[in-house]
Amino acid sequence: AQKITQTQPGMFVQEKEAVTLDCTYDTSDPSYGLFWYKQPSSGEMIFLIYQGSYDQQNATEGRYSLNFQKARKSANLVISASQLGDSAMYFCAMSPLYGGSQGNLIFGKGTKLSVKP
Amino acid sequence: DTGVSQDPRHKITKRGQNVTFRCDPISEHNRLYWYRQTLGQGPEFLTYFQNEAQLEKSRLLSDRFSAERPKGSFSTLEIQRTEQGDSAMYLCASRGLNEKLFFGSGTQLSVL
Repeated sequence: AQKITQTQPGMFVQEKEAVTLDCTYDTSDPSYGLFWYKQPSSGEMIFLIYQGSYDQQNATEGRYSLNFQKARKSANLVISASQLGDSAMYFCAMSPLYGGSQGNLIFGKGTKLSVKP
Repeated sequence: DTGVSQDPRHKITKRGQNVTFRCDPISEHNRLYWYRQTLGQGPEFLTYFQNEAQLEKSRLLSDRFSAERPKGSFSTLEIQRTEQGDSAMYLCASRGLNEKLFFGSGTQLSVL
């Protein structure tokens, strides 16, 4: 069975500083994808970044980077130079890349990030 | 706007009534997903379509839930005989050839 664990219910960060949001996962699938989404108070789930289990390099998308440590089964999100607009819920998710459940995301419970001015 | 569109944004209904939600995916995406999100939780997968074929529906919460995608474009999610426990955000997402799943803004259902 697949499982995503986000151990930080809430995080605070000072504007312009970097912050790391933790995510660990468990799966028996040999190939899988890891995702991070941002959910502001408006409710929309905004795609941030994707990492395939086969990728040798850590994914980056602008101010977002994914610190992928396969042996530790962790996929932490790093946000550099935090902005006030980064305040939101952040969800880590994964899905198998093959088989009947391909693309079906399993989500963690989320981390609420608050950026302080 | 070429994002995933959901309608309505909010729905208030009385217990026992039927409700239907609509999702229009990104036009070139052939895969469409429905999720449910309750307060304080991450989204929970319900069902998905590849074109018009519903490839996974075992996660639908009960036989009161059904989904269709008749022409492989938009999809509808219907809940019959709503219960208070059905109150949640219902999210639709679509996906093209790569792994990225794009979500709509959701339909917030409140059952009184």
